This record gives sequence, C-alpha cells and structure tokens, in this order.
Amino acid sequence: DTAVSQTPKYLVTQMGNDKSIKCEQNLGHDTMYWYKQDSKKFLKIMFSYNNKELIINETVPNRFSPKSPDKAHLNLHINSLELGDSAVYFCASSRDLRRVQETQYFGPGTRLLVL
Amino acid sequence: DQQVKQNSPSLSVQEGRISILNCDYTNSMFDYFLWYKKYPAEGPTFLISISSIKDKNEDGRFTVFLNKSAKHLSLHIVPSQPGDSAVYFCAASVMYSGGGADGLTFGKGTHLIIQP
Repeated sequence: DTAVSQTPKYLVTQMGNDKSIKCEQNLGHDTMYWYKQDSKKFLKIMFSYNNKELIINETVPNRFSPKSPDKAHLNLHINSLELGDSAVYFCASSRDLRRVQETQYFGPGTRLLVL
Repeated sequence: DQQVKQNSPSLSVQEGRISILNCDYTNSMFDYFLWYKKYPAEGPTFLISISSIKDKNEDGRFTVFLNKSAKHLSLHIVPSQPGDSAVYFCAASVMYSGGGADGLTFGKGTHLIIQP
C-alpha cells in the first residue's frame, strides 16, 4: 500500500504547455511538500503546505502553483512550461510542519521532460 | 550556494566491509541532520538522523557521526550488504526555525556500490 503516490510517473510535453502533477498521501499527515531534483541532482524544496497554509520558496517562479483540495492531496500545476523545468519532481509528506524531526516520506517522483 | 556538500559522487566497497559516506555543511544554523537512501526510480527513504546535541546515533548496521566544530557528518554502514547499493543523500535542517517550512537542504548524493 503506497504511502505517498504521484501521477504521472513520466511526463513529456512541449514548451509553453500547462501541466499538472498529482500527489496523494494515505498516512494521515498534515504537511505536504514539493521538491525538485534538477539535472545537477540537487533536491530542493519548492513548497510546503500545512493545514491550508502554503509556504512558498521565493526562488520558485510563479508559473508553479500548488493546489490542495484536501489534506491528503497536494497537486502541482505548471503553466507555460520551459525547457529548464525538466527535472524530477518529488512530493513528500510529514506529520507536523513544526517539527523537523518528523520523518518526511517521499513519493516515487515524476520525471518531467520539456521539449 | 551549496550548503550541504557530498564531495564523493560514488563509492565502491566490498561486501562485508565498512562503508563510510561523508557530508560537509556550511550553514552553522543547521542543527538537525538526516541521511536518506534512494533506489533508482523511487523516492528517497529516511535512514537515520542526528540532532546537534549528540555526536553519534546508531541504528543497527547504520551509525551517523557528527563533528560540529568541523561541520562534518558521516554515515557508517557495517557490514555492507548488496542491498545497500543505492544513492545516499545527506540532508540538514534548522530544528527550531519555527517549523519545517524550509524543508530539508540536501546534498547531491553519493552512489554507493557494494561489490560482491
């Protein structure tokens, strides 16, 4: 039973398109995150979301918008895709945003390729 | 600006021997450190953590050592097993920043290969 799942696993699309990546966690966690792993293999936080409060990493372009219909889901919408958006996007969740000791559980990743 | 550095992209170790993975950090505010393990086509999974009030934490075959003055931590795996072959990420955070909103700051990872 997958704890954190993401769809799709692979996404190939043209520059300029708008796409969404879905994330669901069945752990009952309050907090969810999006990370980006770029071509240099760095995993970097993009957003964290806790009880309807969104905390944005200010380095993320506003073409990226997370949307959380409920506590178990945090979807990532990307508008006007650019070549540099090609990366692996990981969703993660943890029990409590306020405690960094809480283990973050990661999804399997979505490999996005923008042509 | 690389705040967490793993300078060895890969490491090859014979089965049964000790694997030592190293990590350095530059941000002196970091006070909580974690190691994650990642297999291909999967997300990272938590392995072990240590807070800055300790210098060692042990969990089975895995031990993490922290040297605050040197801003250095290491992960020891002994004995190394074939299933340990994976990419290991070092990560750091500030425990009392008011929350985990800043997420974790990761290194680039070290690919550990266990030779039979």
